[in-house]
Amino acid sequence: NAGVTQTPKFQVLKTGQSMTLQCAQDMNHEYMSWYRQDPGMGLRLIHYSVGAGITDQGEVPNGYNVSRSTTEDFPLRLLSAAPSQTSVYFCASSRGTSGDQPQHFGDGTRLSIL
Amino acid sequence: AQSVTQPDIHITVSEGASLELRCNYSYGATPYLFWYVQSPGQGLQLLLKYFSGDTLVQGIKGFEAEFKRSQSSFNLRKPSVHWSDAAEYFCAVGTGGGNKLTFGTGTQLKVEL
Repeated sequence: NAGVTQTPKFQVLKTGQSMTLQCAQDMNHEYMSWYRQDPGMGLRLIHYSVGAGITDQGEVPNGYNVSRSTTEDFPLRLLSAAPSQTSVYFCASSRGTSGDQPQHFGDGTRLSIL
Repeated sequence: AQSVTQPDIHITVSEGASLELRCNYSYGATPYLFWYVQSPGQGLQLLLKYFSGDTLVQGIKGFEAEFKRSQSSFNLRKPSVHWSDAAEYFCAVGTGGGNKLTFGTGTQLKVEL
């Protein structure tokens, strides 16, 4: 099992460009989510999904779009990148939607917006 | 709204010494509480979790944590620290059924040999 796989690992964008951060899990997990990690701020929830076709906003959703067409994949889209979106992005998944299910994190995507 | 406070940004301990990392939370209901560890350039790994039952929970790598409702705390402890424990540690509270995690700002642990 690969677990949670994020691609790319590193990316540099120019302001205004768009891109998609990929996240895939091979554990048949229902729940998937995206976090961003900024120095001194811990991780903050961007968007999450409780199953295919269902997504919802987290704490910091502005500037990001998501969709969940399959159980395995949960891509995060930046439509028009801004320097404030420079961050490390983590995708996570868990078996169910109850809190006793541990979340599995990917290794992150380090994104710089110039 | 829920929140998590980790008052210590950096902690330095000697190898073999005991460790306690502090975590205080604010949440109206019974919380799901977690400790995660992050090594440089890596994702987060779950150390332990609490959601009910015994208030002293055991985790991986010799870590334990104690839930104290009266103090709204969930401090992480280890009796004897190893150099490989140097990492950043995050406390988190789970809401929305437990899966929506609110993280503290993290504590960076340095281990002196």
